[in-house]
Amino acid sequence: GAGVSQSPRYKVAKRGQDVALRCDPISGHVSLFWYQQALGQGPEFLTYFQNEAQLDKSGLPSDRFFAERPEGSVSTLKIQRTQQEDSAVYLCASSPRRVHLKNIQYFGAGTRLSVL
Amino acid sequence: AQRVTQPEKLLSVFKGAPVELKCNYSYSGSPELFWYVQYSRQRLQLLLRHISRESIKGFTADLNKGETSFHLKKPFAQEEDSAMYYCALSDSGGSNYKLTFGKGTLLTVNP
Repeated sequence: GAGVSQSPRYKVAKRGQDVALRCDPISGHVSLFWYQQALGQGPEFLTYFQNEAQLDKSGLPSDRFFAERPEGSVSTLKIQRTQQEDSAVYLCASSPRRVHLKNIQYFGAGTRLSVL
Repeated sequence: AQRVTQPEKLLSVFKGAPVELKCNYSYSGSPELFWYVQYSRQRLQLLLRHISRESIKGFTADLNKGETSFHLKKPFAQEEDSAMYYCALSDSGGSNYKLTFGKGTLLTVNP
């Protein structure tokens, strides 16, 4: 079946611009995660949803970052007034949360954001 | 705070040689450990998890709680094993399954 889908794959923004990154999780997956991966680093946790509830946003680096999942499926990560340090690959992952599959996260291909 | 350390950024071996990718972790709770792999131009995918105790593509990893390690091993490396490998940790007892990743090791298997 279809995996986690992210769009756009690449985004170039001018400093100060707002951007919106979209994630379509695997159908029926309850949990959704956003990660930020800077060049040469491992992915770092940003935020976590269980259905439409945002249960953890401790990883969001500033109040310029905002995520939502209003109907418990598609999620959007919005970055306002982008800065050069926001340049990274943004990964989305979803998880079925069935007991025997808990903790297995399925990743999208990511959105590469470049802020000029 | 939880932390995952992968001391080798790059690892290069010849085909048929044994390979070991090191991973150490720091966590006060009950961790679940994973290895994720990213092949060239592909997305990040799960290779194995410690609770499954499986061998995937010839790779194994044993959780050593005394040494807080979860090293990935394969007795005979193949060229198709060349990829970026990430060790990751999650809290098995909580309700938030966010992953904490190491910085990754780029494995190159030479012919």
